[in-house]
Amino acid sequence: KAGVTQTPRYLIKTRGQQVTLSCSPISGHRSVSWYQQTPGQGLQFLFEYFSETQRNKGNFPGRFSGRQFSNSRSEMNVSTLELGDSALYLCASSFSSVTDSFFGQGTRLTVV
Amino acid sequence: GIQVEQSPPDLILQEGANSTLRCNFSDSVNNLQWFHQNPWGQLINLFYIPSGTKQNGRLSATTVATERYSLLYISSSQTTDSGVYFCAGLAGSARQLTFGSGTQLTVLP
Repeated sequence: KAGVTQTPRYLIKTRGQQVTLSCSPISGHRSVSWYQQTPGQGLQFLFEYFSETQRNKGNFPGRFSGRQFSNSRSEMNVSTLELGDSALYLCASSFSSVTDSFFGQGTRLTVV
Repeated sequence: GIQVEQSPPDLILQEGANSTLRCNFSDSVNNLQWFHQNPWGQLINLFYIPSGTKQNGRLSATTVATERYSLLYISSSQTTDSGVYFCAGLAGSARQLTFGSGTQLTVLP
């Protein structure tokens, strides 16, 4: 059974640009959530999607957005990148929001 | 939202030693997980344990939901156990995992 797949694994962008990250969940999982990990703030929740609907959103500016497709794959977008957006972005999938979550390998974003 | 506190923040052990990591949460949780973050950043599932005790090889975990804490035991530690261990909880209707700040474990040969 394939795990959670995130692409790309590494990304370098310039301030002001935008970026799109992709996450393919485990087959059959309909809940996809996104987290940002930085040395200073730790692991913080960005948002959660279930059946193409955003059900919950963390405390991040509107530059951070996401969506989920009918096949449960999800993308997150960050517009007008800032240096502080440099982080490891982790995606997790679960069968439902109250069962265990499984994480992908992450996308390491560096903004220069 | 809930608060999750982990202790100790850092732990250095000699290979073969045993250790206990603790996770306290501020409110009742209906989903509690332990993860090990590998050097490449991926969070590896160790236990899904909202209550009770589970064992998997040299690792075991216990959650006492009524007292709002969970413990992760590592016995006969190996150098490959090194890394950061996180616990994370989900409470009430919030559909988001709240993570502790992690325990950085270093196992020396």
